[in-house]
Amino acid sequence: GNSVTQMEGPVTLSEEAFLTINCTYTATGYPSLFWYVQYPGEGLQLLLKATKADDKGSNKGFEATYRKETTSFHLEKGSVQVSDSAVYFCALSSQGGSEKLVFGKGMKLTVNP
Amino acid sequence: SQTIHQWPATLVQPVGSPLSLECTVEGTSNPNLYWYRQAAGRGLQLLFYSVGIGQISSEVPQNLSASRPQDRQFILSSKKLLLSDSGFYLCAWSRAGSPLHFGNGTRLTVT
Repeated sequence: GNSVTQMEGPVTLSEEAFLTINCTYTATGYPSLFWYVQYPGEGLQLLLKATKADDKGSNKGFEATYRKETTSFHLEKGSVQVSDSAVYFCALSSQGGSEKLVFGKGMKLTVNP
Repeated sequence: SQTIHQWPATLVQPVGSPLSLECTVEGTSNPNLYWYRQAAGRGLQLLFYSVGIGQISSEVPQNLSASRPQDRQFILSSKKLLLSDSGFYLCAWSRAGSPLHFGNGTRLTVT
């Protein structure tokens, strides 16, 4: 079946540090890939997505590239801020849209000033 | 604009008691509706989804049930809670081709 494996953390970084959160997936066909973010006390919000191989999703300084050859969708940001402290979830949908997403376990990021 | 409301925000219930969590969506019609559970160390698990009134699909066998009495209302229920039902429950909606939109969740503690 479909599955997502991601770094679980928790991870603590200093402000302006470089961030990488690894995510790999197993799926049949050509899934769509997503990163969601959950700020403290809130529900999840879509951060970025990519729907086909080599697509790059980007938002708020975060980027992730859909790599079919390595079945990966790693999230990166060049310079994190305190406000980026949150839990980050990698997810996939094998149905083309965001219906019935399969999520990774999430990774808690804390950014210190 | 569309909004999703989920309540209560927190809930503490004894083992064996019933459960009813409610979720409503405003500003859209005929959405797909979802209940997810986020358990510590286990990520997000899809529990139920619905594509229309009275249409419920269960993803995993469990002690919970879901109902959709109205187009934009989705209810998660249990007749008798277990300790293992503790977790963070998230309601979400989507339309075809749109991303999932989540509510702020309900923290359920079964004691």
